[in-house]
Amino acid sequence: EIVMTQSPATLSVSPGERATLSCRASQSISRNFAWYQQKPGQAPRFLIYGASTRVTGIPARFSGSGSGTEFTLTISSLQSEDFAVYYCQQYNNWPYTFGQGTKLEIK
Amino acid sequence: EVQLVESGGGLIQPGRSLRLSCEASGFIFDDYAMHWVRQAPGKGLEWVSGISWNSGSIAYADSVKGRFTISRDNAKNSLYLQMNSLRAEDTALYYCAKDIGVAVAGHFAYWGQGTLVTVSS
Repeated sequence: EIVMTQSPATLSVSPGERATLSCRASQSISRNFAWYQQKPGQAPRFLIYGASTRVTGIPARFSGSGSGTEFTLTISSLQSEDFAVYYCQQYNNWPYTFGQGTKLEIK
Repeated sequence: EVQLVESGGGLIQPGRSLRLSCEASGFIFDDYAMHWVRQAPGKGLEWVSGISWNSGSIAYADSVKGRFTISRDNAKNSLYLQMNSLRAEDTALYYCAKDIGVAVAGHFAYWGQGTLVTVSS
């Protein structure tokens, strides 16, 4: 099983600033990688796949990068609605696995 | 609009069985693979199982293999999860999720609101 490790566990950022979230895979997964956003009491929302392709309707302030084992989600200018928990996920191999999540909170 | 509505959750004793359902609408159901993903209270996400459009390809997490069975009925636009030999660690909110194509590709593009399964005596 591929283990996905996210850092940091919690990130405190002020609105309007940039946030950078990281995810590491325990083995190479090429670009078979996705990001999800989850707000309290809601289902997760699909943000990015293929490491860097934004899902239709996702604002351009969200960008993904990386390949192999190291991946990054950058939110360029944080809006109030962006404060949430973010999960990374690999779909290179079964079983599909998620990171433990990064909570993005208002500073 | 894509809609996924899960049902069938509840309080169940350890060792018993439960069947979850997911009714889909707003898209051509048999054009897409489907998945179950769960989330224990206050915890992260865990993929449980996926099934291709025609049920020809099925996969499970090791934690449920041999106990859970995924299935679908394309005529009824429905996805199912038969859960046997339930354990306390199966307690979670179970989400139904739609993939982006016919194959089990592991993209969870749309999610339902989930159905809560609580395994406790």
